[in-house]
Amino acid sequence: AQTVTQSQPEMSVQEAETVTLSCTYDTSESDYYLFWYKQPPSRQMILVIRQEAYKQQNATENRFSVNFQKAAKSFSLKISDSQLGDAAMYFCAYSSQGGSEKLVFGKGTKLTVNP
Amino acid sequence: GAVVSQHPSWVICKSGTSVKIECRSLDFQATTMFWYRQFPKQSLMLMATSNEGSKATYEQGVEKDKFLINHASLTLSTLTVTSAHPEDSSFYICSARIYSPEAFFGQGTRLTVV
Repeated sequence: AQTVTQSQPEMSVQEAETVTLSCTYDTSESDYYLFWYKQPPSRQMILVIRQEAYKQQNATENRFSVNFQKAAKSFSLKISDSQLGDAAMYFCAYSSQGGSEKLVFGKGTKLTVNP
Repeated sequence: GAVVSQHPSWVICKSGTSVKIECRSLDFQATTMFWYRQFPKQSLMLMATSNEGSKATYEQGVEKDKFLINHASLTLSTLTVTSAHPEDSSFYICSARIYSPEAFFGQGTRLTVV
């Protein structure tokens, strides 16, 4: 079974600074998807960024980018120019390839942004 | 993006009663829906996977007789918590996928059993 590990229960960053959230996973599959989801206090899950395992290029979405190291099974999220609205729980998630596969979530990292 | 609507957002019920939570995909047909449970300050725990027209697949340790899941159409899945007890109080979230990598989430339902 696949597992996702987030080793940082909490992180903090100063506004406008950069922070990196760590995620490692374990799988025997070669094709899969990796995600970072944000859960603000409203508890609505919001997709931040997605990476397909077959793609060597790291995904980017505006201020958010990932460092995907397939051999090391590592998938970290970098948030640049942090904003107060970035404060939330961040969950790393894994999904097998296929449109009806479940997501396996890590335990989450609580990000605090200090003004 | 696709919209998943979950209702109600919060519900309070008396111990021993049943409560139904609805999850609707508003602008797409969801072949598969997922039900998660989230305790305070914890991650999402998958309870079951629901496919339209077939029985739900429950994760190990989830009581299928207590958490009844019905996926009667491609746009609606329901979770019924039967004979609810205070320990069933939690945040329940549904999610839907339509043959795409991305999963779309409902707003969640906060259930409090008193």
